[in-house]
Amino acid sequence: EAEVAQSPRYKITEKSQAVAFWCDPISGHATLYWYRQILGQGPELLVQFQDESVVDDSQLPKDRFSAERLKGVDSTLKIQPAELGDSAMYLCASSLGKPGTQYFGPGTRLTVL
Amino acid sequence: KNEVEQSPQNLTAQEGEFITINCSYSVGISALHWLQQHPGGGIVSLFMLSSGKKKHGRLIATINIQEKHSSLHITASHPRDSAVYICAVSGNDMRFGAGTRLTVKP
Repeated sequence: EAEVAQSPRYKITEKSQAVAFWCDPISGHATLYWYRQILGQGPELLVQFQDESVVDDSQLPKDRFSAERLKGVDSTLKIQPAELGDSAMYLCASSLGKPGTQYFGPGTRLTVL
Repeated sequence: KNEVEQSPQNLTAQEGEFITINCSYSVGISALHWLQQHPGGGIVSLFMLSSGKKKHGRLIATINIQEKHSSLHITASHPRDSAVYICAVSGNDMRFGAGTRLTVKP
């Protein structure tokens, strides 16, 4: 069964360092989402792509976060510099279109020390 | 006030019990989703529904569009059902509840 792949699964970094997360959606899924989930809360959308274009990045802290999906397939989310408050689970999801069932990856758990 | 409210926040049950988790929302939606998140963090989509009722194995999801309310039921609960269950609604974007942490004890 096709799955959304994410790496790394876990990342520990010191504040002020740069981190990057990678997501490979299910083949053929045009819509890709990056979410941040703080412990005990539901996921919060950071950025949504339709193919290679950003369609919603209103909640992305653009002073330190960036996301790209250059060829409309896999995507990278970067944080530079990382802050203590960035410690969270970063989830990637994809769907065929919008609206539609979103399929989630296993997530990347980030700890900033 | 959150646009998607779940109750209870935490739920502990004995194996075999019938479980109900509730979700209320205050925005217009095209669909409501029930998701399951295990301790490792991965999220699995259980149901997407826009009306009526859906059943998959021991899981049943219902939605009342007029009342803006949905319930997730688990029959004959089992320790492997222990997880966080998240209600989400999709319209222009996806809004998530905070989740219900379910622990089923043997």
